[in-house]
Amino acid sequence: DAKTTQPPSMDCAEGRAANLPCNHSTISGNEYVYWYRQIHSQGPQYIIHGLKNNETNEMASLIITEDRKSSTLILPHATLRDTAVYYCIVRVVGFQKLVFGTGTRLLVSP
Amino acid sequence: DTAVSQTPKYLVTQMGNDKSIKCEQNLGHDTMYWYKQDSKKFLKIMFSYNNKELIINETVPNRFSPKSPDKAHLNLHINSLELGDSAVYFCASSRGHDLGNQPQHFGDGTRLSIL
Repeated sequence: DAKTTQPPSMDCAEGRAANLPCNHSTISGNEYVYWYRQIHSQGPQYIIHGLKNNETNEMASLIITEDRKSSTLILPHATLRDTAVYYCIVRVVGFQKLVFGTGTRLLVSP
Repeated sequence: DTAVSQTPKYLVTQMGNDKSIKCEQNLGHDTMYWYKQDSKKFLKIMFSYNNKELIINETVPNRFSPKSPDKAHLNLHINSLELGDSAVYFCASSRGHDLGNQPQHFGDGTRLSIL
């Protein structure tokens, strides 16, 4: 699986957009970009995934650069409940294993 | 309504004991997983089962034995518990094991503490 690089921590004010970057410069054409988050003491929660195109769902938007070497997860209006560790994971088609890195600890403050 | 449920939520036991953790999913998925999160918060896959068949075994000690009685259940039995087994164990499930575009859904974990 391709390696991902994320900043260890980020801060965001409540109500503002949180933009979480992820570098995956060695990504292959058959690898998806996944985002999960883990709120303290809970199981990882699936947020969104994409292959080439930008994606949006009720939780977030995923912007993938044209060369696919990086992506950004956008939480459009962060709330205090979005405080969590966010994991960017690259996963090969045909291989179900998720390889978690250290993620980005997002702190949303009032 | 819980999609992936694990029992027990907390498990405190002594070194050398044998214990089991149960997992059930009601999502109709055919692939289930066990992950381990250690004290440093690293999450790592242990096993994966697809339709009751072992797919992934990540060089886990053979004291750990997963059992899948049907595709909705994947239990984890641990023999001769050691201090290093203290961790949070997460169960997960997904649709299909050979598709890269199916997200995994996780339970809330079982916190195992070895005294």
